[in-house]
Amino acid sequence: GAVVSQHPSRVICKSGTSVKIECRSLDFQATTMFWYRQFPKQSLMLMATSNEGSKATYEQGVEKDKFLINHASLTLSTLTVTSAHPEDSSFYICSARRGGGSEAFFGQGTRLTVV
Amino acid sequence: AQSVTQLDSQVPVFEEAPVELRCNYSSSVSVYLFWYVQYPNQGLQLLLKYLSGSTLVKGINGFEAEFNKSQTSFHLRKPSVHISDTAEYFCAVSDREAGGTSYGKLTFGQGTILTVHP
Repeated sequence: GAVVSQHPSRVICKSGTSVKIECRSLDFQATTMFWYRQFPKQSLMLMATSNEGSKATYEQGVEKDKFLINHASLTLSTLTVTSAHPEDSSFYICSARRGGGSEAFFGQGTRLTVV
Repeated sequence: AQSVTQLDSQVPVFEEAPVELRCNYSSSVSVYLFWYVQYPNQGLQLLLKYLSGSTLVKGINGFEAEFNKSQTSFHLRKPSVHISDTAEYFCAVSDREAGGTSYGKLTFGQGTILTVHP
């Protein structure tokens, strides 16, 4: 149990286009989902926290108009990178927490390359 | 605010030798503690976690960690490593106060690359 699926695993897009990444909790209802970004040879940095049905809470320094997060259901959250640029190239990982749970479960991550 | 410091960025070790990966944290509130492993181009896999109870926690793949509240440490150990343990390891903390909006949000250390040599 507690499987989180992230799609796509890899994506290459042209500069200026938008990319959507999906994060699904397959066998539990996720009241909260988290989006992290990991630059090469660095640790994971939290970008935003989303609670189902409400607006995401963004960490300081993360542009909410650039990184659009939607958590429309208890099993799906999406991250859309709008007008992507090469500096947005990174590894994006989501995690999901079930209601009342102490642990968040991670997706496999998405490698975004903007050319 | 919370912070996590992993004292070693890289740890080389020979196969079948013991290993310890160090982690210290600071927090103004009570925390849960986690160790994750990441293989290249993959997500994170939970090795073990400390929530409450016994301070010695056993995880998967023969790893264990000990929570030391006075030293605010949560070092990861394995008595005999294998080549397959080569990966990057992350220590993380989360706020244990249930009901808060930050509950489940993880603060990660910088990571330790464990390289096991034959």
